[in-house]
Parts: sequence; C-alpha cells; structure tokens
Amino acid sequence: AQSVTQPDIHITVSEGASLELRCNYSYGATPYLFWYVQSPGQGLQLLLKYFSGDTLVQGIKGFEAEFKRSQSSFNLRKPSVHWSDAAEYFCAVGAYTGRRALTFGSGTRLQVQP
Amino acid sequence: DGGITQSPKYLFRKEGQNVTLSCEQNLNHDAMYWYRQDPGQGLRLIYYSQIVNDFQKGDIAEGYSVSREKKESFPLTVTSAQKNPTAFYLCASSGDESGNEQFFGPGTRLTVL
Repeated sequence: AQSVTQPDIHITVSEGASLELRCNYSYGATPYLFWYVQSPGQGLQLLLKYFSGDTLVQGIKGFEAEFKRSQSSFNLRKPSVHWSDAAEYFCAVGAYTGRRALTFGSGTRLQVQP
Repeated sequence: DGGITQSPKYLFRKEGQNVTLSCEQNLNHDAMYWYRQDPGQGLRLIYYSQIVNDFQKGDIAEGYSVSREKKESFPLTVTSAQKNPTAFYLCASSGDESGNEQFFGPGTRLTVL
C-alpha cells in the first residue's frame, strides 16, 4: 500500500521569501502525485499534479514541484511567497491499479509573516 | 457552473442519532469519495464508489454507510455506531480513467453534542 510523509507540520516564512514544502512517498511503481491547498474551513483545491513525463511540473498560483524518483520525493516550491498563500498544504499519492483513491499526507500548515 | 456541493455546511447531532450528509456533483464523474479530516491527520478515506450502484469500504468505514443510486449523488450516513463522529467531512469526485485526479466539495463540519 502507498503512503505519504510530510515531515514539516508547521512552517513560517516571511512574505517575499522562497518556500519549499517536503513530501516523501512510498509506492512500488511510479505513482500519480498531487499537491492540494486548503484554506481554513474549506475544501481542497488542486495546485498541481504529476502523472508522467517532465519531472518538473508547474501549477497554479506560481507553484511548482519536482518529482525525484531516487529520493521518492515530490517537494513543492514557490520562489516568492504572498500573504494569501497562508493555508494548509497536502501531498497525495495515487495508484495506477487497485484501489483508485488518493492517500494523503498529514499536511503542512504555512504561516506567512509580513 | 460545474462542481460539487455539500450540505449542510455545519451540522449538529445529539449522541445516538444517525445523520446524513449530502454530496451532489454535476461534473458527470463516475467516481465519488468520502473523506474524514481530523486535525493533524490529513484526510482518511471512508467509502468510495467507482460506478452507480456499487461502492467499497475505505480505511475507516466502521460506523458509516453510503448509497449510490444516482450518478450525481453519494450521500453519507453517520450512524450512532461511529464512536467519534465529530470531524470535517469532505466529498470528492473523479472523472479520469485512473480515478486519481479528484475534485473536492466545500465540506461539512459535523459536531456531536
């Protein structure tokens, strides 16, 4: 079964600083990988996804993520954080076969300082 | 606009009562999902349905039940057997062949009094 680890529960960055949120996954083959963002009391919005091909994927709101097979990682990055980026971020992994449902990490809460 | 709706947004229940959470989608998606979210635990899968009139248990199905009589609807019943029902419940749907890219509703917060 697949699993996802987000080692950072809470991260604080200053507005304008760069951001990297870590995600490590466990899966026996190349997985589907996703990053979602959630504002308080809201549903999840898809930021970006990786299915195959180019390992650097671009998403909405200026986010990008890089798939590194050798490290089983899919870290999310943004070069310059805006105050509106404060939210909770979830990494998720999906499978090509078997149960077609996502497995989520426990999330990273991002706080942005002025 | 296409999307997923969940109602109500907030729900209060007395202990020992069953309660049903609504989830409707007009995206023409075949697959639908229910997740439970607790602080610090991410999302955990309760039930999912890949086609009408069929559904499977997820990781934490005990104390919950679902039905999938229509493609656009996937209601979740939280029964009195669910020991800790207070949580945020999210419904999602998927239309791709892998069933992986999922779109989420706004959620229902259930509080047991």
